Amino acid sequence: DAGVIQSPRHEVTEMGQEVTLRCKPISGHDYLFWYRQTMMRGLELLIYFNNNVPIDDSGMPEDRFSAKMPNASFSTLKIQPSEPRDSAVYFCASSFRPLAGGQDEQFFGPGTRLTVL
Amino acid sequence: LAKTTQPISMDSYEGQEVNITCSHNNIATNDYITWYQQFPSQGPRFIIQGYKTKVTNEVASLFIPADRKSSTLSLPRVSLSDTAVYYCLVVGAGNMLTFGGGTRLMVKP
Repeated sequence: DAGVIQSPRHEVTEMGQEVTLRCKPISGHDYLFWYRQTMMRGLELLIYFNNNVPIDDSGMPEDRFSAKMPNASFSTLKIQPSEPRDSAVYFCASSFRPLAGGQDEQFFGPGTRLTVL
Repeated sequence: LAKTTQPISMDSYEGQEVNITCSHNNIATNDYITWYQQFPSQGPRFIIQGYKTKVTNEVASLFIPADRKSSTLSLPRVSLSDTAVYYCLVVGAGNMLTFGGGTRLMVKP
């Protein structure tokens, strides 16, 4: 398997523009996670899905952020409108089983480095 | 979610054994302790996970005392390529991983 695939790897946009980040989880994985990493705040969980259904979105910073998972092999994270403070590396991760009880591990993608000017 | 505390940074030399200790005083009965490694410009990568006593794999060992309020990740004979950030996490009932600041390990020649 190619692992978790994210696109684009780099995105530079101007403030106010819509940004869409894409993720393809590992085939057969039922859980998908979106993270954001910055120097100031470290690695933060934004939202996660189980079987394409959003389970916990308490980490989504505000209404400008939205995430969807239309099918088991594809998810998007959208920011509209984007702001300079959204600049960060966004990671997608997936796992086969629940993480609780030491059942599984998360596999991370290479990340998308977003710069909002 | 149990909070973890670990050193911000550590230095070592090639060939040495490195031990990184993490404290998690309010760990719950069913929580597991997990360590991830992150290289620059890459996503975190799972290293090892344990519940109690000692766990060993081809990469590292994890030592957990009986009270489980701390854990120690041991990397035998580190090389320059082990330079990375190491995160200690406590995984509880939910599916959420809470990453702290991590320990930045610098291996010198």
